[in-house]
Amino acid sequence: DAKTTQPPSMDCAEGRAANLPCNHSTISGNEYVYWYRQIHSQGPQYIIHGLKNNETNEMASLIITEDRKSSTLILPHATLRDTAVYYCIVRVDGATNKLIFGTGTLLAVQP
Amino acid sequence: DGGITQSPKYLFRKEGQNVTLSCEQNLNHDAMYWYRQDPGQGLRLIYYSQIVNDFQKGDIAEGYSVSREKKESFPLTVTSAQKNPTAFYLCASSIDPGNTIYFGEGSWLTVV
Repeated sequence: DAKTTQPPSMDCAEGRAANLPCNHSTISGNEYVYWYRQIHSQGPQYIIHGLKNNETNEMASLIITEDRKSSTLILPHATLRDTAVYYCIVRVDGATNKLIFGTGTLLAVQP
Repeated sequence: DGGITQSPKYLFRKEGQNVTLSCEQNLNHDAMYWYRQDPGQGLRLIYYSQIVNDFQKGDIAEGYSVSREKKESFPLTVTSAQKNPTAFYLCASSIDPGNTIYFGEGSWLTVV
């Protein structure tokens, strides 16, 4: 079973920041938080990952709380092409890299 | 162009037939994976391979088989023993088992 909890859906206005929350209260000290997104009928796309520090790349920012029990993925200026299902994943076992996917958050960017 | 190539994108088969899905990567990744996705659900791990000539069962391996004879190739066979084979199948790879996983574009299998 997935070790993360995400809202099933969210809306965001085009051009505004999209903030997607994720709870992972049972995360272990050596487990990373990964974010992927999936557009319908395509393979998941890697977005970003982090351990305990905040991370930023060209796609998004990842904010992890100090106790590491939750995180937020931020898309700074959402576009219609950002409409997708976003998955927050805790990497269970570094040796096997066995990612466990939940049902994610469907982000709908509205014009 | 580097990446993970899955073929075919769409496949129809009659019940009782085995079918093989192809997955090729030119990223020089050691680890490769097969996932299954059913409509409205998350991904479930079928098989994974950390290195050539080695592979391990995932959570839902029954009715599936794989081989890893070459580093760049990890084909998945859906056998007639798989009771509900109709699904979206995703191949993935990572440079090593502890690193970021990247996915192919997926293959839709419909069994009628």
